[in-house]
Amino acid sequence: AQSVSQHNHHVILSEAASLELGCNYSYGGTVNLFWYVQYPGQHLQLLLKYFSGDPLVKGIKGFEAEFIKSKFSFNLRKPSVQWSDTAEYFCAVNSWSGGYNKLIFGAGTRLAVHP
Amino acid sequence: DAGVTQSPTHLIKTRGQQVTLRCSPKSGHDTVSWYQQALGQGPQFIFQYYEEEERQRGNFPDRFSGHQFPNYSSELNVNALLLGDSALYLCASSLNRGTESYYGYTFGSGTRLTVV
Repeated sequence: AQSVSQHNHHVILSEAASLELGCNYSYGGTVNLFWYVQYPGQHLQLLLKYFSGDPLVKGIKGFEAEFIKSKFSFNLRKPSVQWSDTAEYFCAVNSWSGGYNKLIFGAGTRLAVHP
Repeated sequence: DAGVTQSPTHLIKTRGQQVTLRCSPKSGHDTVSWYQQALGQGPQFIFQYYEEEERQRGNFPDRFSGHQFPNYSSELNVNALLLGDSALYLCASSLNRGTESYYGYTFGSGTRLTVV
């Protein structure tokens, strides 16, 4: 069965520090990969997605992620975090069955950025 | 504005009761998926509705059932509530484009269900 693992459950950073959140997936076929962010009290928002092509994907708010097929990884990065990046981050993979798809999420990483 | 509307936003129920949660998809979307997000965990797929039929189902018991209406809105029903059903229930809508590989999801803000 497909699965997604996020290595860090809680990350605490100071403003301007660099961020890297790990994500590994288990899926043998063609993958579509996503990073979502959930700010406190808000809905899940798409940060970025990978479908094909350039393995380095740029997203909103200065985030980027690199798809490394050989390592089954899709790590999220940001060179310099801000206090407003405090949120929970979820990696997800698109799973197909019988012509229909669904998202499989990791457990999430809770990021706290201190001023 | 998420585009997906869920109601109610919060709900408190007693063990053994039944609950119905509602979801209106984003305009132009025809597929609705439901997810359960327990505290400290990622969203878990419950089931998906398209053309008023359940198309996929996750590892949830039959106590969880759903419905999709002709206007694409959807309901999630949970019978015989257990304490462990306490969670944030998320609705996500998307557009079924047949064989195209990308289905963009829009999530609602969720319904927080507390079972006491």
